[in-house]
Amino acid sequence: DAGVTQSPTHLIKTRGQHVTLRCSPISGHKSVSWYQQVLGQGPQFIFQYYEKEERGRGNFPDRFSARQFPNYSSELNVNALLLGDSALYLCASSSTRTSGRFLHEQFFGPGTRLTVL
Amino acid sequence: QKEVEQDPGPLSVPEGAIVSLNCTYSNSAFQYFMWYRQYSRKGPELLMYTYSSGNKEDGRFTAQVDKSSKYISLFIRDSQPSDSATYLCAMSEGNDYKLSFGAGTTVTVRA
Repeated sequence: DAGVTQSPTHLIKTRGQHVTLRCSPISGHKSVSWYQQVLGQGPQFIFQYYEKEERGRGNFPDRFSARQFPNYSSELNVNALLLGDSALYLCASSSTRTSGRFLHEQFFGPGTRLTVL
Repeated sequence: QKEVEQDPGPLSVPEGAIVSLNCTYSNSAFQYFMWYRQYSRKGPELLMYTYSSGNKEDGRFTAQVDKSSKYISLFIRDSQPSDSATYLCAMSEGNDYKLSFGAGTTVTVRA
């Protein structure tokens, strides 16, 4: 089975621009979460979507938004990019049915590395 | 104060040594405790999880949780060069899926 996939792999933008990152969850997973991992730090929770509804939001400004589509794929949008938005953006999917070692296990994709110049 | 504290290291050990990693946390509502391994340029992958307090062993890996002290540990026995990676502790309150991560400890196992 394919794991979580993310696109693009790398992205370079300039300050003030907008970016869209994409994520496809593991087949059958209905929940998608987004995390931001700044170099040298652990991932920080941004959003979680379940069945196309926002289920949780981390401490991020309104410049960050996301949505989930009927096929459970997801997009993360960031407006008015700042230098501090440079990070690895991780998508994780999970299932309400046990598909991993435990019910809440989140499976992470390889991430999109965003560089803001 | 961060919700989850983890010494970022780095930690360098010879092959065959025991690697000891730990995290402390402040949120008493955490019920699920996890250790993820992250190789360079990859996403994190789950190594171990523990629900509430106790010990769990899986091959060369042992996870311990002491909720009374708000302290969790991961031990890697007979470490191998392939264990060289960043190890992240993560926790959640259980009913939601938000994970709170530590900063990660970078481990290098020397052959």
